[in-house]
Amino acid sequence: DGGITQSPKYLFRKEGQNVTLSCEQNLNHDAMYWYRQDPGQGLRLIYYSQIVNDFQKGDIAEGYSVSREKKESFPLTVTSAQKNPTAFYLCASSIGQYNEQFFGPGTRLTVL
Amino acid sequence: GENVEQHPSTLSVQEGDSAVIKCTYSDSASNYFPWYKQELGKGPQLIIDIRSNVGEKKDQRIAVTLNKTAKHFSLHITETQPEDSAVYFCAASKGGSYIPTFGRGTSLIVHP
Repeated sequence: DGGITQSPKYLFRKEGQNVTLSCEQNLNHDAMYWYRQDPGQGLRLIYYSQIVNDFQKGDIAEGYSVSREKKESFPLTVTSAQKNPTAFYLCASSIGQYNEQFFGPGTRLTVL
Repeated sequence: GENVEQHPSTLSVQEGDSAVIKCTYSDSASNYFPWYKQELGKGPQLIIDIRSNVGEKKDQRIAVTLNKTAKHFSLHITETQPEDSAVYFCAASKGGSYIPTFGRGTSLIVHP
């Protein structure tokens, strides 16, 4: 089965801790993305990577970091510098000339 | 950059009625317009898309129309069913290396 997996589904973090969200795809897509979703805010782009070992900041990159060491994997680290990290995080990958996006099931992060 | 406005933010209909969600975009170079459906607690799933060389596209009860001159596109759902209840997102993209820009979403509620 081809697709995008995100783990864990739910994540709880204490203030001041860094936490890493996993995203894996077996679709052989070159590009991968991280979005943050808050109620009424739509999808806001955090980081994206169009090729292995390269990534760019999106609209709300502050307090987040990523790596892209393998084509299949694009983990997101939410650092203690992110002031309001409680949100639903979506990973996506894309293919084709129109960058058609395929989304994972999401990770809900809650800071306690 | 591109700006996508989506209306309404909430839409409530009775089962069997039609539902229409409208989006406008700002960049006349955008040429790909996907629509996503997001069920509660899940990632968005592509339900239909349209390229700029087409004015209308249908897939069973779902249709999308595009007016390039006015820079707006709409999603039409006929004979709505309770399982159509979800958040719907529109997006606009110029393709190539450009990332799609998403609207803020419409929460569709279909009452049985």
